[in-house]
This record gives sequence, C-alpha cells and structure tokens, in this order.
Amino acid sequence: QSALTQPASVSGSPGQSITISCTGTSSDVGSYNLVSWYQQHPGKAPKLMIYEGSKRPSGVSNRFSGSKSGNTASLTISGLQAEDEADYSCCSYAGSRTYVFGTGTKVTVL
Amino acid sequence: QVQLVESGGGLVNPGGSLRLSCAASGFTFSDYYMSWVRQAPGKGLEWVSCISSSGSTIYYADSVRGRFTISRDNAKNSLFLQMNSLRAEDAAVYYCARAGSAWDFDYWGQGTLVTVST
Repeated sequence: QSALTQPASVSGSPGQSITISCTGTSSDVGSYNLVSWYQQHPGKAPKLMIYEGSKRPSGVSNRFSGSKSGNTASLTISGLQAEDEADYSCCSYAGSRTYVFGTGTKVTVL
Repeated sequence: QVQLVESGGGLVNPGGSLRLSCAASGFTFSDYYMSWVRQAPGKGLEWVSCISSSGSTIYYADSVRGRFTISRDNAKNSLFLQMNSLRAEDAAVYYCARAGSAWDFDYWGQGTLVTVST
C-alpha cells in the first residue's frame, strides 16, 4: 500500500479558509467512505478530527469539515485560527482491517 | 477518561529485538480492536498492525509482517508489540491507538521512541 498523497504545506491568514487534499486510489479512498483526519501538534499525539469522511467527534470545532470526491478526500478549515497551526494527516481504510495514511500536511497560519 | 500509555521503547542494535507495551484504562478494553501506528522522525504516520477485540484476528502492514507480533492481554488491559529483526527503517515513535467504530483511531497514547542504531 502506498501512502495517500497530501500537499506538503498549506498556509492561510487568520479568518481565512484552507483546504487540504488527500489523494488515494480506487482500492482505498475510492472504495470506502472511511477517511479520517488527524491533527498533530509538535511532540504530541495525533487527535481525531474527522471520521467517516465528514463526521466530527464530540468536542471538535465545526470549523473543521471533510468531504470526498472519487479517489480524493479533503479537509477544510474555515475561520483559520492560530491554534490550527499543526500537521494534518488523512487515513483511509484499505480493506481487511488494513489502513493507509497520507504523507501529511503542515498548516501554517500567517 | 480514556488513557493509553506506551512503554518499552529504547535504543537497540540492528537485528535486535524490543517489546512494546500499552496500558489501557478508562474504557472496556476487551470491547475494542487496537492498533499500533508509527512515525519515523520528520515523517508521516504509518499503520503497523491491528488486533481484534478477542485477539483472534490479527493484521500487519507488509513492512513488518514476519518480524513483528502484536498481542493483547484483556485481563490486564494491555496491548503488546514484539519487534524482532529490527532495521534502521523501523526507528520511529510507536503509538498505541484504539480503533473507533468507524474504522478510525479515536484515542492515541503519547508514544514511545524506538531507536535502531549501532
């Protein structure tokens, strides 16, 4: 399984919206509506932000939203805030209880 | 609250072995699939292995199959990863993660660092 493709970095000013793409194949992202997104601050453990492509766990801000089209999933952060500066990784279920993560995206708040 | 605490990381020579542990609390451990996920320095996350709630079904990434063994002790609320024939490319922070109901990882430990070097 090859890693899902994400842009290395995305930046935006406070208050703006940014979108991070996550491109896989018809064997993972395209086959299942089971993409999750994780936020990771430096030196910290990942935190689940989106599951099943577009659902938010309790406690996650509604500024975070997810979507999918074909083999590409996306995470949008609206109303960008300084605290959103972190690394973001997507993950897709790939069948038979296996998973594939994305390459990771560093979000910078300008 | 859900807590996952990893231990057992350290420095090991190439070809050596290490056993990681993850102590779980705050939830009914025996109800959940569990996974190990690793992150090499400056790199992205990589799924390593998954074990069913009873321990009867196990899955591995191709990169570790045949060298790593995942196991669990539901009586002790513990998850393990036995790592043999370690290579330089296995060096990473290893995270214990609970598998959520939607094929995601809803809780993570703080990680334990494995260094493979002479």
